[in-house]
Amino acid sequence: GAVVSQHPSWVICKSGTSVKIECRSLDFQATTMFWYRQFPKQSLMLMATSNEGSKATYEQGVEKDKFLINHASLTLSTLTVTSAHPEDSSFYICSARDMGDGANVLTFGAGSRLTVL
Amino acid sequence: GENVEQHPSTLSVQEGDSAVIKCTYSDSASNYFPWYKQELGKRPQLIIDIRSNVGEKKDQRIAVTLNKTAKHFSLHITETQPEDSAVYFCAARLKAAGNKLTFGGGTRVLVKP
Repeated sequence: GAVVSQHPSWVICKSGTSVKIECRSLDFQATTMFWYRQFPKQSLMLMATSNEGSKATYEQGVEKDKFLINHASLTLSTLTVTSAHPEDSSFYICSARDMGDGANVLTFGAGSRLTVL
Repeated sequence: GENVEQHPSTLSVQEGDSAVIKCTYSDSASNYFPWYKQELGKRPQLIIDIRSNVGEKKDQRIAVTLNKTAKHFSLHITETQPEDSAVYFCAARLKAAGNKLTFGGGTRVLVKP
């Protein structure tokens, strides 16, 4: 089945630094990937839709200059949390859909737990 | 946009009993409704899904029903086992919104042995 790899799985950084999270579709191509944020014991909140070769589409209330998304190839999307602050600490999960399988099922990465000190 | 409500937020059942989780959605144009199971600290895993042209789907101990008129869908787990303990999320996808999934708030299921 479709596999989505996300890296790093956890990261600790100092306040004010930037952190990059990678999301890769390992065995399929994904023109669209989605980035979610999940707080403890809460649901997945869609942050943005990453579009290969074009700008990401951000959900209302999500700062695009804060959460930079780049989707440079059909298998890789990156989320960069810029000038991170403790309130950015969260579980970030990406997902992608294998457009070629016809089922249109969304597969999630394993998530990246960000802790900002 | 789409809004998905999920109930209950927590559910405790005795092993062997059934568990039912209900979700409602707001946009009648939504056409795909997956259910995900998320164990602590892990990724959500698709367990079953249903499309708007089907009223019911079953996979072993798991079934999902969809009532398009009422705009609600439910997950049924029969003969629950301790390994069914997890957080379950329903979701709805609206094609017109770029195929984005909107998730319900989640249900924490605890199966007591």
